[in-house]
Parts: sequence; structure tokens; C-alpha cells
Amino acid sequence: KAGVTQTPRYLIKTRGQQVTLSCSPISGHRSVSWYQQTPGQGLQFLFEYFSETQRNKGNFPGRFSGRQFSNSRSEMNVSTLELGDSALYLCASTRDEPYNSPLHFGNGTRLTVT
Amino acid sequence: QQQVKQSPQSLIVQKGGISIINCAYENTAFDYFPWYQQFPGKGPALLIAIRPDVSEKKEGRFTISFNKSAKQFSLHIMDSQPGDSATYFCAASRSGGGADGLTFGKGTHLIIQP
Repeated sequence: KAGVTQTPRYLIKTRGQQVTLSCSPISGHRSVSWYQQTPGQGLQFLFEYFSETQRNKGNFPGRFSGRQFSNSRSEMNVSTLELGDSALYLCASTRDEPYNSPLHFGNGTRLTVT
Repeated sequence: QQQVKQSPQSLIVQKGGISIINCAYENTAFDYFPWYQQFPGKGPALLIAIRPDVSEKKEGRFTISFNKSAKQFSLHIMDSQPGDSATYFCAASRSGGGADGLTFGKGTHLIIQP
């Protein structure tokens, strides 16, 4: 079974631009979450989608948004990029059975904002 | 507000020794406590998880000890091997982390010396 796939692996953008990251979950997983990983703040929850609906959102500004498609694939978008948005963005998927289906993470998209 | 505090930040253990990483949480609504292992260039991968109805869970060389009254839990790696060298994250959530998201500790960089 293929794991969580994130594209692209690396991105370099300029401050003020916007960026879209893509995530394909494990087949059969309907819940997709996004996390930001930085050396200073560690791993932080961005948001979670299930059946195309955002169910929960972390403490991030509105510049961070996402969506999920009917095939469970997900995208996240960051508008008006800031230098502090440089991070590893991780996508995770799960079957969403409470306590019985762990989060499976992709290898992330490394975003560098210059 | 850091809801999950992890220590130490870094740890060096001799091959064959016991590696111990500790975490403390604040939110009493948390009821699912996983540990993740992350290698450079990879996403975090679930190692082992525990719920507060048990005080200890063992899987191979990895053991979680849980102290509900103290709101603390720890990871023990027995017979540590150089291949265990990685960054370890404790986490906590309600109901398994799908919709609610995982709250992560800041991570422990573990080095096993041969």
C-alpha cells in the first residue's frame, strides 16, 4: 500500500507570493491533517479535513487555508508568504477510527521563503 | 502555551543502554498519548501509543510508562542500537488525533554511540 504522498518535496518562494502544496492520502483514508514543523516551534497542527469539510483548525492566521477533494486528496495554500513561513509542511492521513487508526505522515514539503 | 513539555532536548546513550525520554502534559482532556520517531528527511512515524487506562505498554524494545495523577509519560528504549538514532516526539490528543489534532512536544534528538 502506498504511503502518504506530498508534492513537491522542495519549494523556494519569495516573500509576498502564494504557494499551494499537495497531499495524496493512503488509499481508504478519509481524514487528512496538515502540520507545520519548524526548529523553533516544533510540530504544530494547522487543520484537518474529512469528507471535504474542515473539522478543526489550529492557531494559524487566515493566510493558511486548505481544501479536500472528493477523492480525499488535499491541498493547502499559504498566501502573502512571510519569511517565518519557511518550514517543513507535513500532511498526515488516517482512517479516523478513534484510538484505532494512527496518523500516517508523508515526508513533507520543505518550503523556503526568501 | 506549551501543552506538552518534553525533556531532554538531546540525549546521548551508549549502544546497549537504556534511553529514557520524558513528557508532561497539562490538558486533562487528553486521552491518547503516542510517540513518534523521525529520521532526517522523513516524516514522523508512529512508534507506540498508550491510553490512560493502562500504566505501561511494551512493544519490543519500546515501553511507554504512564502516570495519570502526575500527568506524565515516558518512553524507554531498551538495548538501544545505533539505528535508533533519530528525533523522538511525544504527543497528546483527544480521541486519537484525527479531527482534534496532535499536540506535540518539542522533540528529543537521540544519538546512540556504537
